[in-house]
Amino acid sequence: EPEVTQTPSHQVTQMGQEVILRCVPISNHLYFYWYRQILGQKVEFLVSFYNNEISEKSEIFDDQFSVERPDGSNFTLKIRSTKLEDSAMYFCASTVQGNYGYTFGSGTRLTVV
Amino acid sequence: AQTVTQSQPEMSVQEAETVTLSCTYDTSENNYYLFWYKQPPSRQMILVIRQEAYKQQNATENRFSVNFQKAAKSFSLKISDSQLGDTAMYFCAFMKGEYGNKLVFGAGTILRVKS
Repeated sequence: EPEVTQTPSHQVTQMGQEVILRCVPISNHLYFYWYRQILGQKVEFLVSFYNNEISEKSEIFDDQFSVERPDGSNFTLKIRSTKLEDSAMYFCASTVQGNYGYTFGSGTRLTVV
Repeated sequence: AQTVTQSQPEMSVQEAETVTLSCTYDTSENNYYLFWYKQPPSRQMILVIRQEAYKQQNATENRFSVNFQKAAKSFSLKISDSQLGDTAMYFCAFMKGEYGNKLVFGAGTILRVKS
């Protein structure tokens, strides 16, 4: 069964450093998303991406965040200057049509120290 | 804005028994979709079941079924013949009907299946 692949599975970074979280969505999917889950809390929407542009973003997704689909297969989330409160599990998801439900990746645990 | 409420932070059930997880939501939309996702200790998000709001028939997937009450804005998940592998966090989620919309999640219910 096709999978959404996320790398790395765990990343530790110093506060203020830039991090790039990587995702390879399912190849025929058209809609891509990033969500985050702070430990023990609910899953929160960050951004959606369709047709090579952001279609929606949340208030969490401020100027420190950016997304890219640089080569038609990878989908990346960049955090320019990480803060302690960015520590969370970050999930990538994709879907061919949004209303069928997404396929989520296994997540990247980001720890900012 | 849509909100999703899961009022049971934790539940437990004996193996082979049936358990129902509650979810209510608030929306002014008429066209939308509802989902239950399972998050086991591995923290992978796994789609359990999906319901279209325009369908009156409740969705069923093997041991998992929903009770969708549109007027009451209620969407509960019933797990029959509970198995140890069902131990997980369960999230209820809402999506507006247009393509590519975001999921809005509830806070989750931790389900523990006991042997």
